[in-house]
Amino acid sequence: DAMVIQNPRYQVTQFGKPVTLSCSQTLNHNVMYWYQQKSSQAPKLLFHYYDKDFNNEADTPDNFQSRRPNTSFCFLDIRSPGLGDAAMYLCATSRDMRDRGNNEQFFGPGTRLTVL
Amino acid sequence: AQSVTQPDIHITVSEGASLELRCNYSYGATPYLFWYVQSPGQGLQLLLKYFSGDTLVQGIKGFEAEFKRSQSSFNLRKPSVHWSDAAEYFCAVGARVNNDMRFGAGTRLTVKP
Repeated sequence: DAMVIQNPRYQVTQFGKPVTLSCSQTLNHNVMYWYQQKSSQAPKLLFHYYDKDFNNEADTPDNFQSRRPNTSFCFLDIRSPGLGDAAMYLCATSRDMRDRGNNEQFFGPGTRLTVL
Repeated sequence: AQSVTQPDIHITVSEGASLELRCNYSYGATPYLFWYVQSPGQGLQLLLKYFSGDTLVQGIKGFEAEFKRSQSSFNLRKPSVHWSDAAEYFCAVGARVNNDMRFGAGTRLTVKP
């Protein structure tokens, strides 16, 4: 089945130690998104890629970076995690939302990040 | 930019009762509208979506939603709730000119036996 895969599902890191979260997709969608979701809150968009074009949200801290080496993979790098970065990180994909048609976002299961 | 308001943080209904979850959006044109459901520790699953055409949209698991332009609303309904419907529900609005989608704060649904 076509899907969005996130690895690992649970990640524990130490304060200040860089961490990378991984997302892959078999849907061949050209847009990939990273959201941060804290407990009992809505997902907050960090950034998205339209193909190789990177679109950062204005309020995303510089501590968060992303890479998309090819259509299938996208990575979220947290350079120096703080206690406030503990959250669920959700990856999603879609076709170009500006096109007509079936343009919903498909979500992965998320990675739960714990910062010690 | 578009925005979404879900006025109800938490709703409790009895199993078998009807359900309506409210969603109001702000956007200058006709938006894309979505309802997603999230079980604890899981990702988001799409229940239904509105792009154009019929304003009453049918989704999975017996859910439906109605787009009312005059009220800027997209309320989610289900005639008879099942215990397995207990989850967090998010309304989202997408623009037609970019790839941004904004989520409401969510409504947590509790189902009483």
